[in-house]
Parts: sequence; structure tokens; C-alpha cells
Amino acid sequence: KAGVTQTPRYLIKTRGQQVTLSCSPISGHRSVSWYQQTPGQGLQFLFEYFSETQRNKGNFPGRFSGRQFSNSRSEMNVSTLELGDSALYLCASSPTDRVQRSPLHFGNGTRLTVT
Amino acid sequence: GQQVMQIPQYQHVQEGEDFTTYCNSSTTLSNIQWYKQRPGGHPVFLIQLVKSGEVKKQKRLTFQFGEAKKNSSLHITATQTTDVGTYFCAGGWEYGNKLVFGAGTILRVKS
Repeated sequence: KAGVTQTPRYLIKTRGQQVTLSCSPISGHRSVSWYQQTPGQGLQFLFEYFSETQRNKGNFPGRFSGRQFSNSRSEMNVSTLELGDSALYLCASSPTDRVQRSPLHFGNGTRLTVT
Repeated sequence: GQQVMQIPQYQHVQEGEDFTTYCNSSTTLSNIQWYKQRPGGHPVFLIQLVKSGEVKKQKRLTFQFGEAKKNSSLHITATQTTDVGTYFCAGGWEYGNKLVFGAGTILRVKS
């Protein structure tokens, strides 16, 4: 089975621009979660989708948004980029709707640099 | 909101020494998961603990879940250079389907 695929792997943007990141979960997995990882901040939860519905959202400003498609692929969008948005964005998929009970399978992440 | 505190933040050990990282929650967890992230890599699931007082072993790694289901630990016996990376715990709550990660413990091993 193919793992979680995130594209692109690297991205460089300037302040004020917007960016869209993509995540394809493992086949059959319907839950997709997004995390932001910065040095010293661990894994900060952004949002979680199951069957195209956002079920949980972390404490991020409204500039961060996401969606999930009927094929379970997910995208996240960050508008009006700020320097502090530079981070590794990780997507993780899970086979069940009880995300807290099943292992998360992470992708390799998208490294976003904002200049 | 739910939080999971993880200590220490860093641990630098000599190869062959033991290593332990601890996670604590102020509220009762339904379960706890552990992940390892190698430098430059992504988090990889190691194990899940569900029962009060549960202890599980994977070779040199021993995982424990407290009796009150509020704390957990990961202990590595006789560390090797292949153990380097960041170890994360993630606490689960049934209410709200939440999984919250600790800040992680960075392990460095000197050979």
C-alpha cells in the first residue's frame, strides 16, 4: 500500500502570498489530520477531517483553512502568509473515525519557507 | 483544553546508557500513543496503551501507562545510536475524538 503522499515537498513563498498544500491519504483511510511543526513547538494540531467534514480545529487564525474531497484527499490553504508560518506541515491519515484510538500515518511533510 | 506535558525537552546520553521520557495529563486519558521521529523524517507510530497500569515492551523499549491513566513513560535500555530522534507521546480523549501531542523529547546519543 502506498503511504501518505504530500505535495509539494518544499515551497518558498513571500509574505502576503497564499499557499495550498495537498495530501493524499493511504487508500481506504477516511480521516486526515494536519499538523504544523516548528523547532521547539512540537506538533501543533491544525484540523481534522473525516468524510469531507471538519470535526476538530486547533487554535490557529482563520488564515488557515482546509477541506477534504470525496476521495479523502485533503488540501490546506494559508492566506496572507507571515514569516511565522514557516514550518513543516505534516498530514496524517487514519483508517477510522476514532482518530484518538488508531495510529496516525504521517506523510513526509511540506517544508514551507516564507521570506 | 486538553494538554499533555512531556519532559525532558532534551536528553543527551552516552551510548549504552538508559533513557526515559515522561508524559503527564491533568485529566484522565482514554489511551496514549507513542511516536518516534528521526532527524529529517516524519513521526512514526510505535505503540498504543489503553489499559490502566499497562506495560508493553518492544525489544529495548518499555512503555508504561499509569494506574490513573494520567501519565505514561517510555524507557529505552542501553541506548544505541539508532535511537536518536524525537519521541512524542499523544494523549487520546474519547470526548471530542481528540488526540493531543506532547512537545516531544529530543534524544541524542554519543558513541
